[in-house]
Amino acid sequence: EAGVTQFPSHSVIEKGQTVTLRCDPISGHDNLYWYRRVMGKEIKFLLHFVKESKQDESGMPNNRFLAERTGGTYSTLKVQPAELEDSGVYFCASSQEIAGGPQETQYFGPGTRLLVL
Amino acid sequence: GDSVTQMEGPVTLSEEAFLTINCTYTATGYPSLFWYVQYPGEGLQLLLKATKADDKGSNKGFEATYRKETTSFHLEKGSVQVSDSAVYFCALDGQNFVFGPGTRLSVLP
Repeated sequence: EAGVTQFPSHSVIEKGQTVTLRCDPISGHDNLYWYRRVMGKEIKFLLHFVKESKQDESGMPNNRFLAERTGGTYSTLKVQPAELEDSGVYFCASSQEIAGGPQETQYFGPGTRLLVL
Repeated sequence: GDSVTQMEGPVTLSEEAFLTINCTYTATGYPSLFWYVQYPGEGLQLLLKATKADDKGSNKGFEATYRKETTSFHLEKGSVQVSDSAVYFCALDGQNFVFGPGTRLSVLP
């Protein structure tokens, strides 16, 4: 079974440009999460989809970030316009079980390394 | 809110040494606890988990026991290998999924 995949693996853009990250969860997983690790610091939650609905987007840093999950399959995270402080690694995860429940296990993708110059 | 604290790294050990990476948490209720590992150049992988008090998670020679009385989930391995060099993240799944800051482990031959 294929795991969570993310594209691209790396992205280098200039400040002010737009970047779109994509995440393909494990097939059948209703829960999809975005996280990011900025400047080698802590991994921070960004948002959580259940199917195509945003369940929790409390971690989104500002309105330059837009996440979508049309059709409840893959998700995109767009940063527009990108700023220097957006550099970091963006992880996607998916899970099958009830979010927050005792049996939930999140499976992570390889991450997208974003560098904003 | 929920939080996870890990011992600061980097941790440098010789091959076959004993490893302990401390992890303590603060949470309401009874969260599930996890250790994730990130090998160089790779993404996060689930290493082990425990869903209730006194559960022991184990995988690849690593173990961690869910200690509710001390709110801890310390990671241990009896004999580390060079291939264990990675960053280890303790995490909990309670009201939200929260990661610790990560501990970088370097194992020297």
